[in-house]
Amino acid sequence: SSELTQDPAVSVALGQTVRITCQGDSLRNYHASWYQQKPGQAPVLVIFGRDIRPSGIPDRFSGSSSGDTASLTITGAQAGDEADYYCNSRDNGDNLFVFGTGTKVTVL
Amino acid sequence: QLQLQESGPGLVKPSETLSLTCTVSGGSISSSNYDWGWLRQPPGKGLEWIGSIYYSGSTYYNVSLKSRVTISVDTSKNQFSLKLTSVTAADTAMYYCATTHKTMVADDGKGYSWFDPWGQGTLVTVSP
Repeated sequence: SSELTQDPAVSVALGQTVRITCQGDSLRNYHASWYQQKPGQAPVLVIFGRDIRPSGIPDRFSGSSSGDTASLTITGAQAGDEADYYCNSRDNGDNLFVFGTGTKVTVL
Repeated sequence: QLQLQESGPGLVKPSETLSLTCTVSGGSISSSNYDWGWLRQPPGKGLEWIGSIYYSGSTYYNVSLKSRVTISVDTSKNQFSLKLTSVTAADTAMYYCATTHKTMVADDGKGYSWFDPWGQGTLVTVSP
């Protein structure tokens, strides 16, 4: 089955912009969805499709993709954006879905 | 608005069967608009897709778990269930159910699907 690789951790100054990347072969055929997970809470969908935000998700969250890499950008990061972020996509291989390894975002 | 809630034992003995139920409210589990999935997250680790059941009744399982997993739907109760046999300590995890949205195609030709909403999760510990 495919794998989706993310940087383990990134940090961003309050109000600045951070980009989280997700790389894998499946992303050549499928867009990633992105989930925010705060400690002790269930994941919450923040981006899906080419760049679609569910209702209630601030417009500082955006998505993009190029080749085998998908990106989640937080423009003007807030303290409340500190969380783990996971990418996910349909899989090219034996499994239907695959998740990324997760990125811990720290807002300084 | 769909809401999902997991339920089941929080402690399972090694070699026994883990059984969880997800109750769907705010919509019908028989709707052709949605499919249903189970995911899990071991303590301190990442998310793993366990399997999904489609509106058609077709099931798809993670190949690493396929020999031990069964997902089924009970339309009369608006619930779907997970059974995982022969559990070990490695199956200790937070288990989530989630609505799986059917794969669509973007204007660039790439497909996409997503999980939303998720249940709050239920912690299952495998221990003697």
